[in-house]
Amino acid sequence: EAGVTQSPRYAVLQEGQAVSFWCDPISGHDTLYWYQQPRDQGPQLLVYFRDEAVIDNSQLPSDRFSAVRPKGTNSTLKIQSAKQGDTATYLCASSHDRGGNYAEQFFGPGTRLTVL
Amino acid sequence: AQRVTQVQPTGSSQWGEEVTLDCSYETSEYFYCIIWYRQLFSGEMVFLIYQTSFDTQNQRNGRYSVVFQKSLKSISLVISASQPEDSGTYFCALSEPHSGGNYKPTFGKGTSLVVHP
Repeated sequence: EAGVTQSPRYAVLQEGQAVSFWCDPISGHDTLYWYQQPRDQGPQLLVYFRDEAVIDNSQLPSDRFSAVRPKGTNSTLKIQSAKQGDTATYLCASSHDRGGNYAEQFFGPGTRLTVL
Repeated sequence: AQRVTQVQPTGSSQWGEEVTLDCSYETSEYFYCIIWYRQLFSGEMVFLIYQTSFDTQNQRNGRYSVVFQKSLKSISLVISASQPEDSGTYFCALSEPHSGGNYKPTFGKGTSLVVHP
């Protein structure tokens, strides 16, 4: 079984540039999470989806960040106008619904973003 | 305010020693889960063990076990016979029920562990 894949693995931008991150979850996993992990911090949830629906995006900076999962499979996270404060690793994780029971999340390798 | 607190930013041990990493959390949920992960130097996040608030016994997974003190909202990860390969950053995460049967996770800041040969 293939794991969660993410691309690109690294990105370096100037402030004001746009960037997109792509995530392919494990096949059959209906829930997909995007996290931002600044250096020496824990992952912070940005947004998560159940199938194609956004369940919670309250931590997503809505003026510059957007996330979609149009067919309930792959997902794209986009930063419209990057700032130096966006420098972080962006992690994607997926899980399979277990009818209300806790379901383990499987993480991708992450995308390391540096904004100069 | 931090809802998941890992007070030890760093830790160290010698090969073969038992290591204990602490975590405390805040929640008003009746049912919740606490999950421990290790993040490798490559950035990969590896699942280690989890404990639910309904579990009456401390969970164990190989060399990993937890000491769960529900009334104190505290949980410790215990690594027996630590090895240099156990070095990395350990995260405690609180997962609480959320809209429509989903779970919303909150991570601590992590404890960076070095196991010396």
